[in-house]
Amino acid sequence: EVQVVESGGGLVQPGRSLRLSCTTSGFSFGNFAMSWFRQAPGKGLEWVGFIRSEAYGGTREYAASVKGRFNISRDDSKSIAYLQMKSLRTEDTAVYYCTRDFTGGATAPSGYWGQGTLVTVSS
Amino acid sequence: DIQMTQSPSSLSASVGDRVTITCRASQSISSYLNWFQQKPGKAPKLLIYAESSLQRGVPSRFSGSGSGTDFTLTISSLQPEDFATYYCQQSYSTPWTFGQGTKVEIK
Repeated sequence: EVQVVESGGGLVQPGRSLRLSCTTSGFSFGNFAMSWFRQAPGKGLEWVGFIRSEAYGGTREYAASVKGRFNISRDDSKSIAYLQMKSLRTEDTAVYYCTRDFTGGATAPSGYWGQGTLVTVSS
Repeated sequence: DIQMTQSPSSLSASVGDRVTITCRASQSISSYLNWFQQKPGKAPKLLIYAESSLQRGVPSRFSGSGSGTDFTLTISSLQPEDFATYYCQQSYSTPWTFGQGTKVEIK
């Protein structure tokens, strides 16, 4: 059974950093791209970024709103994806979701989503 | 960026009704269009991918159609568990973008 579980959320002050983890099981992690999405309270869904599999170069792409502040990485040996967030702003407050892609090349988010982890940026 | 526009923003319907939600892209996205259902406090659930492919385990009353810039999600006979918010999303090019959502409420 495929499982995707986010962790690491919490309350953080503006300007500080936080790292989210996406722990997975039940599939060959190294063969798939992994994406992060977020949803601010009462708002719609927003794509944050993704990291392709090593077979596709392990390249990353980001939304303009987080580029230069957020970094996605992966540890294929542990089947974990990470979202390192720096210089956090109040507008980064959201539930963050991790998803597995259909392929290694990042073509579309699959049906495998985590339950989400809440990040609150506030002083 | 590709803008995704859903209509309507909300609708009221009864159990058994046929419901149609439309999604328009600001430029052609071929068939790189996905539909999600989200209930309060829950993660989005993939319903349809690649415009018309039904995700495994999703009831057949859900269907997707369209291509290019205009797409439709149809629920053939609305069930009580279908009351939720629905989002379209394009994965044709980055940044991946979503429609603003359509909230389906009970009439």
